[in-house]
Amino acid sequence: QTVVTQEPSLTVSPGGTVTLTCGSSTGAVTSGHYPNWFQQKPGQAPRSLIYRTSNKHSWTPARFSGSLLGGKAALTLSGVQPEDEADYYCLLFYGAPWMFGGGTKLTVL
Amino acid sequence: QVQLVQSGGEMKQPGASVKVSCKTSGFTFMKYGFSWVRQAPGQGLEWIGWIRVDNGDTQFPQKFRDRVTLTTDTSTTTAYMELTRLTSDDTAVYFCARDIDWDVDFWGQGTLVTVSS
Repeated sequence: QTVVTQEPSLTVSPGGTVTLTCGSSTGAVTSGHYPNWFQQKPGQAPRSLIYRTSNKHSWTPARFSGSLLGGKAALTLSGVQPEDEADYYCLLFYGAPWMFGGGTKLTVL
Repeated sequence: QVQLVQSGGEMKQPGASVKVSCKTSGFTFMKYGFSWVRQAPGQGLEWIGWIRVDNGDTQFPQKFRDRVTLTTDTSTTTAYMELTRLTSDDTAVYFCARDIDWDVDFWGQGTLVTVSS
């Protein structure tokens, strides 16, 4: 049973930088897992931020960036804004199934 | 503009089936695939399955393989997800999401399915 692991919660100060990670129980996350990152606020549908490790959508704020870091997928927020407080999910592709991480609740305080 | 508009909330009894629709517009339907994802109350996201529009290929996790049917209607550019043999554990918000080349970009607004006797 494959498990995708994310930090359950993180806290960051406004204007600060924070990195969220996404690990796999099968080993290192690579570009071949095509990591996607999503932001979800209460009562809303998820919003796509990053696809295929590091690519941004046209609506993705410049302060969000995706990478591979230490065998995991990573989402870095630089210059955090209060509106970035949300749940963040990664998605990894294993052929079938695709697996979501458990999500990281980001608090901006 | 790209839009994915899902059908309204459903209340079902245990053992019943539910079919959720995802009406799309603003893009070339045949070029894409559609994932279905659910979120139980207070929980994370769970992938239910995926369908490719142009050839009908599907993928499912083992958990849903015998209970989920995914279809598309190219004449109405609508994707459908049917889940059978419902239990209370299937109470969740169900989302459709568009994808191409491992880029899951646009999402529907979600459909709440409540299973209760």
